[in-house]
Amino acid sequence: GIQVEQSPPDLILQEGANSTLRCNFSDSVNNLQWFHQNPWGQLINLFYIPSGTKQNGRLSATTVATERYSLLYISSSQTTDSGVYFCAAIQGAQKLVFGQGTRLTINP
Amino acid sequence: GAVVSQHPSRVICKSGTSVKIECRSLDFQATTMFWYRQFPKQSLMLMATSNEGSKATYEQGVEKDKFLINHASLTLSTLTVTSAHPEDSSFYICSAIHWRYGYTFGSGTRLTVV
Repeated sequence: GIQVEQSPPDLILQEGANSTLRCNFSDSVNNLQWFHQNPWGQLINLFYIPSGTKQNGRLSATTVATERYSLLYISSSQTTDSGVYFCAAIQGAQKLVFGQGTRLTINP
Repeated sequence: GAVVSQHPSRVICKSGTSVKIECRSLDFQATTMFWYRQFPKQSLMLMATSNEGSKATYEQGVEKDKFLINHASLTLSTLTVTSAHPEDSSFYICSAIHWRYGYTFGSGTRLTVV
C-alpha cells in the first residue's frame, strides 16, 4: 500500500517564526489532506488539497502531485499552533493513510 | 460545518469488561464511518470501516470479534471493545466524510483498562 512520510518529526520554534512541513507519498493518490491535532487530541481538517496551492490565514499548503509531495507553511507562528500536524493520503475506497506526523512546539 | 460527536471522551474500565463508544454525525448523514486507534506519540491507524446497514470492513490484524462495530443508522456508529485488556488502552477516534468539508473527526475516546 501507499507510504506517507513526514519531515521533520519534531520542530521547536519561537513565536513569530515561519515553518515548512513536508509530506512525501509513495504512489499516486486521489487526494491529500493536512490535519492539526491539538494537545487534547482533536483533529482539525486544515486543507483538502490534491494539487496546487491553498491559503487560509497564516497557513498555506502546496501539493505537487506529479512529484508526490506536499508542503504546509505556517507563518508568524503562535503558541496555539503547537500540536501534531499530520498529512494523510487518500488512495481508493476513501481510506486515509496517515503519515507519522510532525510535532510542532511554539515557545513564547 | 460538519460535526462528529464522540462519546464518552474518557473511560476507565476493569479488565474483562466491555466498553461501547458512540460516534454520531450531528448535522449530516454518513453512510460510511471510520474507526482509528492512536497510541501515545504515534500516528492514527485505521481499524475498520463502518458501513450503514452492512458488516464493517476490518483492517488486517484487527480482531473483529474483539472490536465489534455496528452502524445501524445514517448518523450513528458504535465500537464495542469486548473483554478489554490493558493492551487495549489507547485513544480511539472516529471520522465521517462530509461532501463539502471532507473528513471530519470526533474528539476521541481515551480508554484505560485497569
